[in-house]
Parts: sequence; C-alpha cells; structure tokens
Amino acid sequence: NAGVTQTPKFQVLKTGQSMTLQCAQDMNHEYMSWYRQDPGMGLRLIHYSVGAGITDQGEVPNGYNVSRSTTEDFPLRLLSAAPSQTSVYFCASSYSGGQGGYGYTFGSGTRLTVV
Amino acid sequence: GESVGLHLPTLSVQEGDNSIINCAYSNSASDYFIWYKQESGKGPQFIIDIRSNMDKRQGQRVTVLLNKTVKHLSLQIAATQPGDSAVYFCVVKGGSYIPTFGRGTSLIVHP
Repeated sequence: NAGVTQTPKFQVLKTGQSMTLQCAQDMNHEYMSWYRQDPGMGLRLIHYSVGAGITDQGEVPNGYNVSRSTTEDFPLRLLSAAPSQTSVYFCASSYSGGQGGYGYTFGSGTRLTVV
Repeated sequence: GESVGLHLPTLSVQEGDNSIINCAYSNSASDYFIWYKQESGKGPQFIIDIRSNMDKRQGQRVTVLLNKTVKHLSLQIAATQPGDSAVYFCVVKGGSYIPTFGRGTSLIVHP
C-alpha cells in the first residue's frame, strides 16, 4: 500500500549515542517533514524539505540533522542522543506549493527512549 | 508566528450524541485549516479540511465550521461512535510550508 514508512518502530539509545530514523514515501510527494510528539503536546516540527536537495529548520531543530538526496527518502539523524530527545517521532509527506492541498500523510511513528 | 489553541483538552460524550471540538487561531492571514484524528499508537490521519474562502464544509458525519471574524474553527461529529475516540488536532497554515498543530482534544466516547 502507498504511504509513509518509518523504521524502526521502537528504539532505546544510551545518552551520547547517534542513530538515524528512516522515512520513505512512495507517493512522489515533494514535501516531507519530521515532527516530534511529547505527552500532552501537539506535534512540533523539527525539519522539513520541499524537494530533493532542499531542507530547512522547523520549530525545534537543535540536536537533529536531515538530508534529502532523493524524493522518496528523508532520514532524521540524532547526532548525540540526550534524554530530552525521548519522544515519538513522526514523518509526514504531502504535495506542496501554491494553493494545492496541504493534507499530510503520516507514518506510524518511531518511539524513541534515551536513557 | 501562529499560535493554535483548543478550548478543551478532553471531551467526554455518550455514544450517539453529537460532538463539537473547538480550535482558535491567532494569525488572520491563515488560509487553510485541517483536522486530524490520532488514535492511540498511530500517526495522525486526515479527516477534513477547509479553505479561508469557505465557512462550512461537510464530510461523512463530520462538519467543519470556520469563523474568520473571531478566528475560530470547530469540528462537529454527528452520532458519535466508540470508534471516534481519539485525539483530534486542528492544523492551521498560512503562507509558509510550516503548519501549526494545536495541542489536541481527547474525545472519549462512552457506550
């Protein structure tokens, strides 16, 4: 089925470790983004991309890196994990630009715990 | 920037009742509004959207109302069912690519 695929679903890291959260979509969407969701909070935007080779920071980018070498993939890298990065991470994609639809398709999430 | 707030963090209703979930926004330039439903352990799912040139849009059992004068929108769910139990987010967009999510209202449907 078409959609957004995130891996892994669960991950436990030790403080200081690095890792990459994977996100892939097969809908040929230009726009992709990463959000984090903490208890009682809405989703907060970490980084986003409006096309291959183009990325930009969102609301909470510190401690995270992204790259977009292909339309399909948008990995999120944690450089040196900290307990404050314990959260559920969602990747989303959509068609972008102009007055087109901005509805997002979300992945099922990665639950990350940093100890 | 945009700020988005929901009036109630939790809404409890009886099965079969109509539910109304409210959302307020701050930026009068916002032009696109989306409601998402998030079930436990899943990512948000698109429910319905509305553009600023409309004040009402209906879907299957759901209606979104937009009042630009007071910068308020609402999601109405008719004949609420147990499967409607979830957290509902309103999302507000202006001219940028960055949407703003509200904190969510948890809808609890009692059988």
